[in-house]
Amino acid sequence: SQQGEEDPQALSIQEGENATMNCSYKTSINNLQWYRQNSGRGLVHLILIRSNEREKHSGRLRVTLDTSKKSSSLLITASRAADTASYFCATDATGANSKLTFGKGITLSVRP
Amino acid sequence: GAVVSQHPSWVICKSGTSVKIECRSLDFQATTMFWYRQFPKQSLMLMATSNEGSKATYEQGVEKDKFLINHASLTLSTLTVTSAHPEDSSFYICSAPTSGRGDEQFFGPGTRLTVL
Repeated sequence: SQQGEEDPQALSIQEGENATMNCSYKTSINNLQWYRQNSGRGLVHLILIRSNEREKHSGRLRVTLDTSKKSSSLLITASRAADTASYFCATDATGANSKLTFGKGITLSVRP
Repeated sequence: GAVVSQHPSWVICKSGTSVKIECRSLDFQATTMFWYRQFPKQSLMLMATSNEGSKATYEQGVEKDKFLINHASLTLSTLTVTSAHPEDSSFYICSAPTSGRGDEQFFGPGTRLTVL
């Protein structure tokens, strides 16, 4: 079964707007990682947040983690057309020895 | 971030042939690497864990005799798709966790396999 479930599944916004993507998971985790994938390409690591962290920032990215609700959110501020891609959350479950379980992904379209 | 490479980036082969895909960690050592498969417009599905110096461990439903994995060194893992069939056509991606760097896991650029 899917460990990570993102929502929405598709998001279309105007350039300059903020994009918020959510991820829910089912088991206890060591960390949660967000990735970006452009069509037909590999995954680009965006940010890792550990189970004992609540919020992290990296440039225009802000990630939150709520372990009580088993959920995370990725916020991209001031979006650009180049942010158009699929975004995945992946969880490193406790005891999984670094095996990541991916959600279904969110397709973000940023209109210029 | 750390760099993981894959070779080839794409391959087209005839049904029944075998194809080898290489995954290399370029600037760090990886005792463990992971192989994923991704079908169009779908998420990544873990196929197997490649372990340096020992046998790979496969996820449920993945045929170990069809997808041969060899972790030859601390920087190289290979996936061989044996007797490939059209249904094996997919995007294969490897990854390696960077223990000691905060457990971030970096992915290769992927290999597009098309079996005719």
